[in-house]
Amino acid sequence: DGGITQSPKYLFRKEGQNVTLSCEQNLNHDAMYWYRQDPGQGLRLIYYSQIVNDFQKGDIAEGYSVSREKKESFPLTVTSAQKNPTAFYLCASRVSDTQYFGPGTRLTVL
Amino acid sequence: AQKVTQAQTEISVVEKEDVTLDCVYETRDTTYYLFWYKQPPSGELVFLIRRNSFDEQNEISGRYSWNFQKSTSSFNFTITASQVVDSAVYFCALSEAWNFNKFYFGSGTKLNVKP
Repeated sequence: DGGITQSPKYLFRKEGQNVTLSCEQNLNHDAMYWYRQDPGQGLRLIYYSQIVNDFQKGDIAEGYSVSREKKESFPLTVTSAQKNPTAFYLCASRVSDTQYFGPGTRLTVL
Repeated sequence: AQKVTQAQTEISVVEKEDVTLDCVYETRDTTYYLFWYKQPPSGELVFLIRRNSFDEQNEISGRYSWNFQKSTSSFNFTITASQVVDSAVYFCALSEAWNFNKFYFGSGTKLNVKP
């Protein structure tokens, strides 16, 4: 099946630790995105990548880092510099003008 | 500046009622795209519809219909004969035609459909 997968579904982190969220797509889409969603709020863009080996900061990039070594993969690292990382993280990819989303990862900092 | 407003934070209806979710947008662009996504309790955003600014025709897909009115900058979504499975958070979004990397999302409307 074609689609976007994110893992893990749930992630728990101790304060001060870096964690990496996985996002993989087999849709052959060039552009990929990471969003953060907080309770009762819309989505905020963290980073995006239009092609391999290139990525751009979104609206709330501080405390996050990404890489895009393969077209299919766009992992997000939440660093210890992110002061309030507990949130729901959604990955998306785009074809033409429409973004399609993965199932999300819920990160909780203990 | 671009902005999407979903003034209804939460709506509760009884199954089989019709319900309309409002979406009002702001943009200075003449060419743009509007979207609706559904987010069920599982969390994944499911794409429902895309509309470009030059196409004001209303669209119907089964129990779903969308009303796009440029004169009032609105793109409302109606569910006819609602079902419990329609319970979800619904997001309206705006994209600029010159920059598909930037989506402006509303804050979402949570729809509760009770049996």
